[in-house]
Amino acid sequence: EAGVAQSPRYKIIEKRQSVAFWCNPISGHATLYWYQQILGQGPKLLIQFQNNGVVDDSQLPKDRFSAERLKGVDSTLKIQPAKLEDSAVYLCASSNPGQGSGDTQYFGPGTRLTVL
Amino acid sequence: GDSVTQMEGPVTLSEEAFLTINCTYTATGYPSLFWYVQYPGEGLQLLLKATKADDKGSNKGFEATYRKETTSFHLEKGSVQVSDSAVYFCALTRSGSARQLTFGSGTQLTVLP
Repeated sequence: EAGVAQSPRYKIIEKRQSVAFWCNPISGHATLYWYQQILGQGPKLLIQFQNNGVVDDSQLPKDRFSAERLKGVDSTLKIQPAKLEDSAVYLCASSNPGQGSGDTQYFGPGTRLTVL
Repeated sequence: GDSVTQMEGPVTLSEEAFLTINCTYTATGYPSLFWYVQYPGEGLQLLLKATKADDKGSNKGFEATYRKETTSFHLEKGSVQVSDSAVYFCALTRSGSARQLTFGSGTQLTVLP
């Protein structure tokens, strides 16, 4: 079974530029999460999707961050414009609440963003 | 709100030493508890989990017991190997439909040969 795929793996941009990250979850997983992991900290949830609907985006800085999952499969997270403090690893995870291990989240390799 | 507190790192041990990484939590209700591991250059991987009080999760020689009375989920391994060098994260999800993970800050473990 293929895992969670993310691209790109690395991105370097200047502040005020825009950037987009892509995530393809494990096939059949209805729930998709985006986390932000700042160096030296644990991941923090940005947004959670159930199929193509948003379950929780309360910690997403909506003035600059946006995310979508239009067909309930893959997802895109965008930052526009980027700030220095957005430098972090952006992790995508998926789970399938309908399965016996439904509370287990499977993570992709992440995208490391550096904002200069 | 929910929170997870892990012992401060980094932790450096010699091969075959005993490992304990402390983890305590604050949450309402009955959370599920997890340990995730992040090897260098890789994504987070689930190491073990426990879903109710007194459950013991185990995998690859690691163990952790869900202690509701002390709100703890300490990670242990009797004999560490160099290949166990990684960052370890304790996390919880609250019961309910959202199932969002709340993570601790992580503990860097280095095992020397």
